Amino acid sequence: DAMVIQNPRYQVTQFGKPVTLSCSQTLNHNVMYWYQQKSSQAPKLLFHYYDKDFNNEADTPDNFQSRRPNTSFCFLDIRSPGLGDAAMYLCATQMGWDQPQHFGDGTRLSIL
Amino acid sequence: GENVEQHPSTLSVQEGDSAVIKCTYSDSASNYFPWYKQELGKGPQLIIDIRSNVGEKKDQRIAVTLNKTAKHFSLHITETQPEDSAVYFCAAKETSYDKVIFGPGTSLSVIP
Repeated sequence: DAMVIQNPRYQVTQFGKPVTLSCSQTLNHNVMYWYQQKSSQAPKLLFHYYDKDFNNEADTPDNFQSRRPNTSFCFLDIRSPGLGDAAMYLCATQMGWDQPQHFGDGTRLSIL
Repeated sequence: GENVEQHPSTLSVQEGDSAVIKCTYSDSASNYFPWYKQELGKGPQLIIDIRSNVGEKKDQRIAVTLNKTAKHFSLHITETQPEDSAVYFCAAKETSYDKVIFGPGTSLSVIP
């Protein structure tokens, strides 16, 4: 059974139209991450939550925001998507810094 | 900061042969080294990991070796099967810190 669930698996939006991607977990892990992955590249960390504490990577565009209303759910909001934001977005969870990360299967975002 | 290099970028082997992927890291403080397998359209899946107090770890057909002095670690897959075809990412982390640093990935093709 999937333990990190991302919805939807495929998302199409229009240039400049806000979009929200969601992630839920059944692992009760205290850390949740969002990554952006473009074709043939490694995942690139956007930000993470340790419980309610939010940490934004220095090079994450202001266009990208996140919310974590409770332990189980985390959302990625892209306020005004540009063509360059088309990518796979991966959510991952972790129980503490010394444990492995568990990834969902991602949401592939297309921008028209 | 940490930098992880990975070689080769692509690797083709005949079914039944062995495959070896090599990674180097730059930060001697890194003490946790996971390997992820990513199949097409899916998220990365942890296949094996090793901590810096161990030189080698094996799980069925997969083994990982770590040389802390030289700052390199390797993934060995024996008796390869077509279902081993995927992109493999090595990574390095210092366990009191939040960020995993990924290598650029190796695309492995196992030819039946």
